[in-house]
Amino acid sequence: KAGVTQTPRYLIKTRGQQVTLSCSPISGHRSVSWYQQTPGQGLQFLFEYFSETQRNKGNFPGRFSGRQFSNSRSEMNVSTLELGDSALYLCASSLEGYGAYEQYFGPGTRLTVT
Amino acid sequence: AQSVAQPEDQVNVAEGNPLTVKCTYSVSGNPYLFWYVQYPNRGLQFLLKYITGDNLVKGSYGFEAEFNKSQTSFHLKKPSALVSDSALYFCAVRDDQAGTALIFGKGTTLSVSS
Repeated sequence: KAGVTQTPRYLIKTRGQQVTLSCSPISGHRSVSWYQQTPGQGLQFLFEYFSETQRNKGNFPGRFSGRQFSNSRSEMNVSTLELGDSALYLCASSLEGYGAYEQYFGPGTRLTVT
Repeated sequence: AQSVAQPEDQVNVAEGNPLTVKCTYSVSGNPYLFWYVQYPNRGLQFLLKYITGDNLVKGSYGFEAEFNKSQTSFHLKKPSALVSDSALYFCAVRDDQAGTALIFGKGTTLSVSS
């Protein structure tokens, strides 16, 4: 099976702009989670989608949003970009978000905000 | 609140020697515990998980981890380290009562010298 794919791999944006990141989960996986990784804060949970519904949300401002499509593909959007949004954004998929199922991560999108 | 601690920022070991990367956790309910590895400019790669059952779990690439409920620990081990094991290792926990998010430790850099 193909792994989790994320596009684009690298992005450079200017402060105040918005950005959309895309994630395609492993075939058959219905849960997609997003994480932000920075040197200072480490890995932080953004949100999780299952069957096109946001099931869980981390402690991030409303500028961070996401959605999931009927084929389980997911996008996340960050509006009004700030310098502090520069990070590696990781998408992870699993069969079922709850319970014992492990999450499989994509390679990430490296976002740089200037 | 859930939390994970990885007390060592870096672990250095010689090739062929055993290695241990430490992790302790705190959850309200029952823990689901995971170890991931991250190579430079890559996403996280799943190594192993503890859900229930035997306290010693075996995973990919010869890694294993020992769950200790009384000490709330889940240390990653390998009997004989390889130079190629050098990477960043993350311990993560999910509380079975608290949703789908994985809570990650800050990570431990493992350096294996030849």
